[in-house]
Amino acid sequence: DVKVTQSSRYLVKRTGEKVFLECVQDMDHENMFWYRQDPGLGLRLIYFSYDVKMKEKGDIPEGYSVSREKKERFSLILESASTNQTSMYLCASSLRFSYRTGNTIYFGEGSWLTVV
Amino acid sequence: SQQGEEDPQALSIQEGENATMNCSYKTSINNLQWYRQNSGRGLVHLILIRSNEREKHSGRLRVTLDTSKKSSSLLITASRAADTASYFCATDEGYSTLTFGKGTMLLVSP
Repeated sequence: DVKVTQSSRYLVKRTGEKVFLECVQDMDHENMFWYRQDPGLGLRLIYFSYDVKMKEKGDIPEGYSVSREKKERFSLILESASTNQTSMYLCASSLRFSYRTGNTIYFGEGSWLTVV
Repeated sequence: SQQGEEDPQALSIQEGENATMNCSYKTSINNLQWYRQNSGRGLVHLILIRSNEREKHSGRLRVTLDTSKKSSSLLITASRAADTASYFCATDEGYSTLTFGKGTMLLVSP
């Protein structure tokens, strides 16, 4: 079974702090993703990475950066946390896209971040 | 950007009844997928249907796809309390990323 592990389940941080959310997958997937989920807004893609050291902006990249130094690890960084970044953050991974197999995404359990 | 929109937003049924959720999308797709999310947890993949398929089954799940109407439906037969969750459709346009709808919250009462 694919396992996507998010290092922290619940975090409380202060406004202005630098926040790191870590994610590790164990299935040698090429693609990794960070989503944010808010009530009434659904899932919104922040960043994704299709290879080591490669990254692409998603729908809402402002205020976030990412790092992918190793294939299995994808980090989301909030340079200066703000209260409007209080949310649930979901990491996910998938194989490289194939028309034959599609691109099923495997999610971690989520990290609940509260910025006070 | 939100491509899929699920309908209804919330659905409440009794155990043993069938639950039907619908998804509409805007642009041409390669595949459409359905995911499930238990409260406060990550999403879990349920089923994938390709654009050239019209219907697919997996256990108690039945998915249909009508590309002419840009819509899909998920039917859960003989619902159980354990089926209580949010259900999301997700579409891809031939790239690595998926675009998710806002989900349908299903409540199955014993």
